[in-house]
Amino acid sequence: AQTVTQSQPEMSVQEAETVTLSCTYDTSESDYYLFWYKQPPSRQMILVIRQEAYKQQNATENRFSVNFQKAAKSFSLKISDSQLGDAAMYFCAYRSGRGGSNYKLTFGKGTLLTVNP
Amino acid sequence: DSGVTQTPKHLITATGQRVTLRCSPRSGDLSVYWYQQSLDQGLQFLIQYYNGEERAKGNILERFSAQQFPDLHSELNLSSLELGDSALYFCASSGHENMNTEAFFGQGTRLTVV
Repeated sequence: AQTVTQSQPEMSVQEAETVTLSCTYDTSESDYYLFWYKQPPSRQMILVIRQEAYKQQNATENRFSVNFQKAAKSFSLKISDSQLGDAAMYFCAYRSGRGGSNYKLTFGKGTLLTVNP
Repeated sequence: DSGVTQTPKHLITATGQRVTLRCSPRSGDLSVYWYQQSLDQGLQFLIQYYNGEERAKGNILERFSAQQFPDLHSELNLSSLELGDSALYFCASSGHENMNTEAFFGQGTRLTVV
């Protein structure tokens, strides 16, 4: 079974600074997807960024980028120019690339990010 | 707005009772997933339906059941409720199971068992 580990229960960053959230995962599969979801106090789960395992290029979405190290099974999220609205719980998630019953998401425990003004 | 609608947003009920949570997926999405988020267990996958059929089961208790109707909305039934069932229950939907699509989440139903 796949597992996702987020080793940082809490992180804090100053507004306008950069912060990196860590995520490692364990899988025997070669085809899979990785995601970062954001959960603000409103509880809504919002997709921040995703990475296909077969792509070597790291995904980027505006101020959010990832460092995907497939051999090390590491998938960190970098938030640049942090804003107060970035304060939230961040979840790393894994999904198998095979079809059918394996499209469920396996989540890490989350990292609570605080942004200080 | 993700396009996934969950009702009700909040639910308070007593132990031993039964409740039904409802989910309407995004237009065109055939798959519905149910997740439970609790402080001690984190976010856990419960069950998946695809076009009316059960496709995958996760850590779903026998007291819980779900179904997906012909109009693709889904219901999660929780019975003989216990205090430990208090949690946030999410529904997510995605497109055709063989397509490369993300899962979009509803806003969740906060269940409190007293």
